[in-house]
Amino acid sequence: TQLLKQSPQFLSIQEGENLTVYCNSSSVFSSLQWYRQEPGEGPVLLVTVVTGGEVKKLKRLTFQFGDARKDSSLHITAAQPGDTGLYLCAGLDGGSQGNLIFGKGTKLSVKP
Amino acid sequence: KAGVTQTPRYLIKTRGQQVTLSCSPISGHRSVSWYQQTPGQGLQFLFEYFSETQRNKGNFPGRFSGRQFSNSRSEMNVSTLELGDSALYLCASSFFAPGPNLNTEAFFGQGTRLTVV
Repeated sequence: TQLLKQSPQFLSIQEGENLTVYCNSSSVFSSLQWYRQEPGEGPVLLVTVVTGGEVKKLKRLTFQFGDARKDSSLHITAAQPGDTGLYLCAGLDGGSQGNLIFGKGTKLSVKP
Repeated sequence: KAGVTQTPRYLIKTRGQQVTLSCSPISGHRSVSWYQQTPGQGLQFLFEYFSETQRNKGNFPGRFSGRQFSNSRSEMNVSTLELGDSALYLCASSFFAPGPNLNTEAFFGQGTRLTVV
């Protein structure tokens, strides 16, 4: 089973600051997804990256897939309290028919 | 359209009991996956069903089982509950079964919070 390691585990910042969270693996993934989970809710898909070196932007969020397709990052510009939540990266477990495996997540708190 | 519905939302059970959780996928979705989420282990894959067939199973003991009905609704059952089974159980539905290029979006329900005492 492939593993996804996310860092940092916790992040507490002030509104308006920028931040980057990371998702790393020793294995190659054909594609990766990022989800955000708010308390009491299930994860919601933010983006899927499929090409090595790909950069996708979603308003103030920028997602990058590493050239070697072993890592990904999420950068948030000018964070807002509404960005608070658990950010999860996920990829397909190559040893199976395709179940998603998740990193343990980065818990982000943005204070007003 | 209605999202993924999981029932019940909260459940308290005693050690040794069994529990059944239910998941109604988005209309038209035939793939249902189940995950266990705990603070220590994060989200861990339990099993995935597509058109009533279990296609994939995670590394959980046989006490964890599931099934899918012809209308794509799914249930998971945990027998002989242990304290360590306390977790948020999430189900996700998608139109296609997960493929090698993540070409289908999985939609998650709000989960069932199970507490074993």
